[in-house]
Amino acid sequence: NAGVTQTPKFQVLKTGQSMTLQCAQDMNHEYMSWYRQDPGMGLRLIHYSVGAGITDQGEVPNGYNVSRSTTEDFPLRLLSAAPSQTSVYFCATVREDTDTQYFGPGTRLTVL
Amino acid sequence: GEDVEQSLFLSVREGDSSVINCTYTDSSSTYLYWYKQEPGAGLQLLTYIFSNMDMKQDQRLTVLLNKKDKHLSLRIADTQTGDSAIYFCAESIRGGKLIFGQGTELSVKP
Repeated sequence: NAGVTQTPKFQVLKTGQSMTLQCAQDMNHEYMSWYRQDPGMGLRLIHYSVGAGITDQGEVPNGYNVSRSTTEDFPLRLLSAAPSQTSVYFCATVREDTDTQYFGPGTRLTVL
Repeated sequence: GEDVEQSLFLSVREGDSSVINCTYTDSSSTYLYWYKQEPGAGLQLLTYIFSNMDMKQDQRLTVLLNKKDKHLSLRIADTQTGDSAIYFCAESIRGGKLIFGQGTELSVKP
């Protein structure tokens, strides 16, 4: 099993560009999450999904969109990238009985 | 709102015990977690404790939970250089969401 995979590993964007960060899982977990990690601030929840067709906002949702058409995939879209979105982005699946989160390897995004 | 606080740095000598502390605010949290992050990597679940437990031991790791004071600690016995990493405390809130602390950077000196 691959667990949680994320692509790309690294990305550089110019301000105003759009892109999609991909996340896929083969753990058959219904719950999936996107976090961003910034120095000294830990991880902050961007968006969340409890199953296909259902998404919810987290702590810092502005500037990001998500959709969940299948259990396996949970892409994160940046509509118009800004330098404040320079960060490391982690996708996670959630084991429902213990709320334990399993993280992907991360995408390091730089917005110039 | 919910908040999780950790000290930012801890330095110990190889072979000593390390104790990483965390305080949280949401008394309704069902589970509390410790994650480890090595440089350039994602977060790896180390252990978790159910909120009705006071202590959990797993090999070199001991987790202590004081619900009254909303205090969680992680003790690593016989700390090794390979334990050098950032350790995150997290609490679960409504529906599988986690609130993370800022992370404690553990430095182990030979």
